[in-house]
Amino acid sequence: DSGVTQTPKHLITATGQRVTLRCSPRSGDLSVYWYQQSLDQGLQFLIQYYNGEERAKGNILERFSAQQFPDLHSELNLSSLELGDSALYFCASSVTQGNSPLHFGNGTRLTVT
Amino acid sequence: DQQVKQNSPSLSVQEGRISILNCDYTNSMFDYFLWYKKYPAEGPTFLISISSIKDKNEDGRFTVFLNKSAKHLSLHIVPSQPGDSAVYFCAASYNNNDMRFGAGTRLTVKP
Repeated sequence: DSGVTQTPKHLITATGQRVTLRCSPRSGDLSVYWYQQSLDQGLQFLIQYYNGEERAKGNILERFSAQQFPDLHSELNLSSLELGDSALYFCASSVTQGNSPLHFGNGTRLTVT
Repeated sequence: DQQVKQNSPSLSVQEGRISILNCDYTNSMFDYFLWYKKYPAEGPTFLISISSIKDKNEDGRFTVFLNKSAKHLSLHIVPSQPGDSAVYFCAASYNNNDMRFGAGTRLTVKP
């Protein structure tokens, strides 16, 4: 158990809809990362937050947004969903006092129909 | 923008032999490199890491080698066991920001 909790585990929705994915980082971790994995592909970096502030941005679509709240949990909002957004979305957390590994949750599988 | 590349999508080895997984990167600013292992229906789990000031780090059966001049790292698993069968991702970051992952290599260890 990595200590990172992602909810829900599965999500099925229709094109054009909006969903929110939630992540609770490991206790004490200030940094949260979001990744997308489509169809056995690699992990595509979306966005990183540190202690409530955006730290780095990857290939995140404008239809997607995220935030990290004062209690350090994070939400990833996906809107105007398209079939191609179907993927596994992973959240990870780390203590960014120097280099340290990321600890991943088990992901949310999003299916857009 | 593929800053971290794993050019072998799959690798098959016999139990007891050495598994060598390779990874190349393009960003010379990266100073921290990691290997993750992933089983189906689970998130990636951290395996081993190396900072750019070292060229080798060992942990039991797992050794990571870093060649900064070639921008190349590799993971050696000796001896390989059937339970090592999984997808392996290499990753790299600068000051723990913006950690980038390769596409993964599926390792199959045959009994």
